[in-house]
Amino acid sequence: ETGVTQTPRHLVMGMTNKKSLKCEQHLGHNAMYWYKQSAKKPLELMFVYNFKEQTENNSVPSRFSPECPNSSHLFLHLHTLQPEDSALYLCASSQNRDSSYEQYFGPGTRLTVT
Amino acid sequence: GQNIDQPTEMTATEGAIVQINCTYQTSGFNGLFWYQQHAGEAPTFLSYNVLDGLEEKGRFSSFLSRSKGYSYLLLKELQMKDSASYLCAVVDSNYQLIWGAGTKLIIKP
Repeated sequence: ETGVTQTPRHLVMGMTNKKSLKCEQHLGHNAMYWYKQSAKKPLELMFVYNFKEQTENNSVPSRFSPECPNSSHLFLHLHTLQPEDSALYLCASSQNRDSSYEQYFGPGTRLTVT
Repeated sequence: GQNIDQPTEMTATEGAIVQINCTYQTSGFNGLFWYQQHAGEAPTFLSYNVLDGLEEKGRFSSFLSRSKGYSYLLLKELQMKDSASYLCAVVDSNYQLIWGAGTKLIIKP
């Protein structure tokens, strides 16, 4: 039990679909993150929210749209994705944005774009 | 540029000891993390080093040398459940977390 949950765990979508990934943390943390994990590559930080405010967008294509309605919930809205977007999408949270704090990860959503 | 190097894959025998190395070239240094990730699961925190030396935590130890830009994770008395990927990550001068690609550790009976 990591305290960070993600749904769905698996998602297959076509390039014209619109879907959303959901993340929820029960740890009382103030910072939340979206990462993309591809095979044999380093984790790619996509977005960071600190106290519900987006603090970073690491040159992520606009077909990925994050939303953070409160400190416990984080969404990633997906539309018109490409096959190369297929990957494991991990959500994480930490006490705050200071990277000296350990991050707690959810189990991820395995996304396949057909 | 910033870079974290770790071996892609390592194999070890149950009951043995294995050392997973991580070298880094980053703009500044504010700490180094090791995470464990079992296949299909979330990465989980193992250790955090900010000062030089060895930190021991049960069967796992983590070492840091800031002058050499080098760390290692030492796993003793290996068990089959230690088969996983081990991720090294460095906090740079801007407090950004720079991740390595991970080392897949295979434990054989």
